[in-house]
Amino acid sequence: GAGVSQSPSNKVTEKGKDVELRCDPISGHTALYWYRQSLGQGLEFLIYFQGNSAPDKSGLPSDRFSAERTGGSVSTLTIQRTQQEDSAVYLCASSLRRDSYEQYFGPGTRLTVT
Amino acid sequence: DAKTTQPNSMESNEEEPVHLPCNHSTISGTDYIHWYRQLPSQGPEYVIHGLTSNVNNRMASLAIAEDRKSSTLILHRATLRDAAVYYCILRAYRDDKIIFGKGTRLHILP
Repeated sequence: GAGVSQSPSNKVTEKGKDVELRCDPISGHTALYWYRQSLGQGLEFLIYFQGNSAPDKSGLPSDRFSAERTGGSVSTLTIQRTQQEDSAVYLCASSLRRDSYEQYFGPGTRLTVT
Repeated sequence: DAKTTQPNSMESNEEEPVHLPCNHSTISGTDYIHWYRQLPSQGPEYVIHGLTSNVNNRMASLAIAEDRKSSTLILHRATLRDAAVYYCILRAYRDDKIIFGKGTRLHILP
């Protein structure tokens, strides 16, 4: 079946602009996660959804970052007033339940802020 | 969060076994040991996980020390496609997020 998909695959934006990144999880997966990976770094947790609610937003780096999930499926990560330090690969993952041992990752969106 | 320590990089020859070590001396009783790997330009993928007993699956084996303070991921016969960053992760039962460290970059020599 289809895996986790993300769009766009690449996004170049000017500093100060807003961007929206989209994640389509595997059908039927109730848990959805956003991570980011800066160049040469490990993955950093951002936010987690169970259904449409976000019980853990602890990883969002600033109030410029927000995310929502609608219909228990698609999620959008929004970055307002982008800064150069926001440049990274943003990865989405989903799992069947929040305590499932395996998370399935998408290919990521590479964001470049110029 | 309990932390893990892995070598920054390792090399292995193609078609030979690879043993990737991980130290986790502060592991707690509810922590599972998970391994993920990230191939170039891709998102991470699950490899294997265990609690106390050694585990085998089609991708790899996981050997867990008796005191659970360390573990080893074993690739029985490395191929060039196994070149990736391997992450050793501790995740408590019913934990939601995965805390990734820096991982071990595995180079496979033809």
